[in-house]
Amino acid sequence: GQSLEQPSEVTAVEGAIVQINCTYQTSGFYGLSWYQQHDGGAPTFLSYNGLDGLEETGRFSSFLSRSDSYGYLLLQELQMKDSASYFCAVMKDSNYQLIWGAGTKLIIKP
Amino acid sequence: DSGVTQTPKHLITATGQRVTLRCSPRSGDLSVYWYQQSLDQGLQFLIQYYNGEERAKGNILERFSAQQFPDLHSELNLSSLELGDSALYFCASSVAGGGIEDTQYFGPGTRLTVL
Repeated sequence: GQSLEQPSEVTAVEGAIVQINCTYQTSGFYGLSWYQQHDGGAPTFLSYNGLDGLEETGRFSSFLSRSDSYGYLLLQELQMKDSASYFCAVMKDSNYQLIWGAGTKLIIKP
Repeated sequence: DSGVTQTPKHLITATGQRVTLRCSPRSGDLSVYWYQQSLDQGLQFLIQYYNGEERAKGNILERFSAQQFPDLHSELNLSSLELGDSALYFCASSVAGGGIEDTQYFGPGTRLTVL
């Protein structure tokens, strides 16, 4: 079967750095994406990794290790507005559908 | 605002009924995706259409069907509704036929409540 594992909840302090991990077991792998979803809102795309390594976009970075079937999202200089759920999603083969993790709720404290 | 529109925003109906959810993709996008999100859960991919044709199928029940019209808007039909169908239904669109680099842009969702 296909599965993605990510922590259900992470708590951090405003201004700090937090890492949200995602491990996957899928029959194929084309890439790993990250999406942010605020309560009651729609998911919005943050980043994707098709190759091993770190991709940086402002305060957010995403890392992938295909040999370890593992990736993470790194959020720096946390702001209260970063409080949201973060989903990793894997495209496992050429039929284009994304397999989604259950999401990590990020709680930020002042 | 992603540019993807969904109607209605909220829908309350009874078990056994049938409803239709509508989605208009961003201008220029050829693909439409439908997702179901139950309370505090991740997204379940239902189905994708590309330029009017079904492209990929996920965990879509037989009671559910979808189509994409020549103007590229899409409708998701849910029939013989059950209590467990209560969820947020998202539509997303992308420029091309899919792929990890083909970013999906999500609409605001339709919240369906089945009583």
